[in-house]
Amino acid sequence: DAGITQSPRYKITETGRQVTLMCHQTWSHSYMFWYRQDLGHGLRLIYYSAAADITDKGEVPDGYVVSRSKTENFPLTLESATRSQTSVYFCASSEPGQGVDEQFFGPGTRLTVL
Amino acid sequence: GNSVTQMEGPVTLSEEAFLTINCTYTATGYPSLFWYVQYPGEGLQLLLKATKADDKGSNKGFEATYRKETTSFHLEKGSVQVSDSAVYFCALRPWGGYNKLIFGAGTRLAVHP
Repeated sequence: DAGITQSPRYKITETGRQVTLMCHQTWSHSYMFWYRQDLGHGLRLIYYSAAADITDKGEVPDGYVVSRSKTENFPLTLESATRSQTSVYFCASSEPGQGVDEQFFGPGTRLTVL
Repeated sequence: GNSVTQMEGPVTLSEEAFLTINCTYTATGYPSLFWYVQYPGEGLQLLLKATKADDKGSNKGFEATYRKETTSFHLEKGSVQVSDSAVYFCALRPWGGYNKLIFGAGTRLAVHP
């Protein structure tokens, strides 16, 4: 599929389990981002990546791990899920210098931690 | 630091009513400003943007003007439709912010026939 996709779209897990959320984009964009969306907070940046093998922390990185071995993929791992990580997670990508500075968002993954 | 403040919702309007959603920001330097829209069950989409003071962004009948003197970027539409029902997010990209966006909390708009 063209564009940016996320999987799974819905996930229920238990406290303490490891969970990986996948993000894939077909545009070869340099930048990729992970956000979480919570009521009253809008979207908050978890991690971002400027290129393959280059990642950096955002506003709320604790409890999350990312990697980017290939340009098109940017998985987000919750090493030991907690209830406070129940949220909707959005992946986004962008390519600086293309004039619009637009970030393109995936459809989101709704994660529930019991 | 950088931050974005939006008016709290939900905003409930009748079709063809005038819409204003307030957005103010705090930032150093010269940020770029954006409005994103999120339709039910979907990810965010860029609605409009402005990159410097006094710029007006517009799209699909929506407009917003970058006001540096009042640090504001209010979203307006002259006549809303039921299909405009969504959550609207104001966002800024800090000057030199390497494409990172800082979002407001979002404002839910419900338009009734």
